[in-house]
Amino acid sequence: SAVISQKPSRDICQRGTSLTIQCQVDSQVTMMFWYRQQPGQSLTLIATANQGSEATYESGFVIDKFPISRPNLTFSTLTVSNMSPEDSSIYLCSVSTGIISVETQYFGPGTRLLVL
Amino acid sequence: ELKVEQNPLFLSMQEGKNYTIYCNYSTTSDRLYWYRQDPGKSLESLFVLLSNGAVKQEGRLMASLDTKARLSTLHITAAVHDLSATYFCAGNRDDKIIFGKGTRLHILP
Repeated sequence: SAVISQKPSRDICQRGTSLTIQCQVDSQVTMMFWYRQQPGQSLTLIATANQGSEATYESGFVIDKFPISRPNLTFSTLTVSNMSPEDSSIYLCSVSTGIISVETQYFGPGTRLLVL
Repeated sequence: ELKVEQNPLFLSMQEGKNYTIYCNYSTTSDRLYWYRQDPGKSLESLFVLLSNGAVKQEGRLMASLDTKARLSTLHITAAVHDLSATYFCAGNRDDKIIFGKGTRLHILP
């Protein structure tokens, strides 16, 4: 298993500002993922963050809006840029324990973001 | 593109009853996951099903997978209030996990 922590756990931000969310894992993992979960909704994959290469973004998400860093095998950041109220959501970091293929995926506690 | 559909999306049931949540997926999935989410909490992994005919059980929950029918089920036996939560199934393709919309389960005492 993997223990994942996220910072901040929650924040209230003003429109037009940016917030960087940190994700720390207690073991080295190859694949890290960032998800968004709007209130009462399911999870939507934003991007896959692989160490040593650029993040891969899903349809509807772009690097300018959600830049991601992955400096090593235990850490990643997601920035929500130029925020609007529509960005209010829970952002979850997730890791896969598999090396080649995804076996079990674990989730962090989430960052609850409210944009005013 | 993998799509995952769950039903029902909302379920209210009495304690002691049995019920099943269904999860259909549109294309081949390398594996099928079930997660539980309590209000205001993150996701807890319940089951990972890897092959056709796989059945896993933990307490009052049992998950099964039929890859030919592209169907997984989560069966709840003799429900108790503590099982009230949202349950998500998810499929995997190209190392990406795609979630269903979730089933909100409310168990009445």
